[in-house]
Amino acid sequence: DIQVTQSPSTLSASVGDRVTITCRATQSIGPYLAWYQQKPGKAPKLLIYQASRIEGGVPSRFSGSGSGTEFTLSISSLQPADFATYYCQQYHNYPWTFGQGTKVDVK
Amino acid sequence: EEQLVQSGAEVKKPGDSLKISCQGSGYFFPNRWVVWVRQMPGKGLELVGIIYPDDSDTTYSPSFEGQVTISADRSSSTAYLQWSSLRASDTAMYYCARLRGSRPDVFDVWGQGTMVIVSS
Repeated sequence: DIQVTQSPSTLSASVGDRVTITCRATQSIGPYLAWYQQKPGKAPKLLIYQASRIEGGVPSRFSGSGSGTEFTLSISSLQPADFATYYCQQYHNYPWTFGQGTKVDVK
Repeated sequence: EEQLVQSGAEVKKPGDSLKISCQGSGYFFPNRWVVWVRQMPGKGLELVGIIYPDDSDTTYSPSFEGQVTISADRSSSTAYLQWSSLRASDTAMYYCARLRGSRPDVFDVWGQGTMVIVSS
């Protein structure tokens, strides 16, 4: 299986901060990486697909980049609604696998 | 509105059987892949398996092969996840989700989750 590792596991930030989360895959996955946001007690929500394509309805402060084995999710100016846990997911090889998650909390 | 609605929370004993459901609406359910995803308490997301409701073509993740059964009924637009003999380690939230397009693709619509608690 392809493993994906996120860093950091926890990120403490303030409203207005620029935030960056990294995801690394154990082998090349091309652009087949997605990012999801999950809030407590809720299902995950798709934010980014194909590494950099933003899902409809997702605020433009979210962006994704990368290809191959290294990817990033950035939030340009953190808003109160953005405090949540973020997961990357590779869908290049089955079984599709998720990173362990990055919790963004209040500094 | 395209949505997936899951059955309610379950509390079971070890050794019990269980079948939970995921009903789609607002789109043509048979020709969109459906996945099941496990989230153990305080942990991350794990893919259980995937099914194509039109012909019930199913693929399990290796960790779940033989542990669960995924099925679907295209006539009722419903996918199922079932266990024949639950273990305490099956305690988790289980989500169904829809693949946006053909395999491989991302999960664009999610159910609200079904909490399964297995305890003696």
